[in-house]
Amino acid sequence: QVQLQESGPGLVKPSETLSLTCTVSGYSISSGYYWGWIRQPPGKGLEWIGNIYYSGTTYYNPSLKSRVTISADTSKNQFSLKLISVTAADTAVYYCARVGFVEWSLDYWGQGTLVTASS
Amino acid sequence: QSALTQPASVSGSPGQSINISCTGTNSDVGGYNYVSWYQQHPGKAPKIIIYDVTYRPSGVSNRFSGSKSANTASLTISGLQAEDEADYYCSSYAYTSTLVFGTGTKVTVL
Repeated sequence: QVQLQESGPGLVKPSETLSLTCTVSGYSISSGYYWGWIRQPPGKGLEWIGNIYYSGTTYYNPSLKSRVTISADTSKNQFSLKLISVTAADTAVYYCARVGFVEWSLDYWGQGTLVTASS
Repeated sequence: QSALTQPASVSGSPGQSINISCTGTNSDVGGYNYVSWYQQHPGKAPKIIIYDVTYRPSGVSNRFSGSKSANTASLTISGLQAEDEADYYCSSYAYTSTLVFGTGTKVTVL
């Protein structure tokens, strides 16, 4: 059973960096899928942030690309998100998910973690 | 990269069928057969119910079906049940290797 779990601070000050980690169990991140981050502001829709392949290949949402870095640590079976220069607009529930290699469907999701950008 | 367009809300009575549309462009929905649909209950993570336009993952009810014509994909829920009341999102792989979501549709069971 594939399981994903997000972890990281729930509160980030404006202008600082948001950092989250997704720990995957039941499946090796080196085994042929992409791994992605998605966010959802309170009461709003889903927004794709980006994907990573275990080898390091990344794809980012053009609207966030200048502020986002996604990395992977195969030894820990984890992947991470860093978002710099956060503002209140970055307040959202952040989800990690497994992403189909060809069709980019998101078949397993973490439970999500709320990150609030506030002083 | 613009969000795919979905109706804000759709409603139906138990047992009825409803359709949710997802309109994009020939750079996303129309250009690839890589449309997925997700169901999200309040406070929960989204759950995939359709991938590759028409395919259901194992364990998903056959009351959910998907289709596509040109730049518009559709999700049909037949035999509507109270448990189907949720938000529904489409997504599509898009040109230049990005993923775009729909605006989301709230389904209400009357």
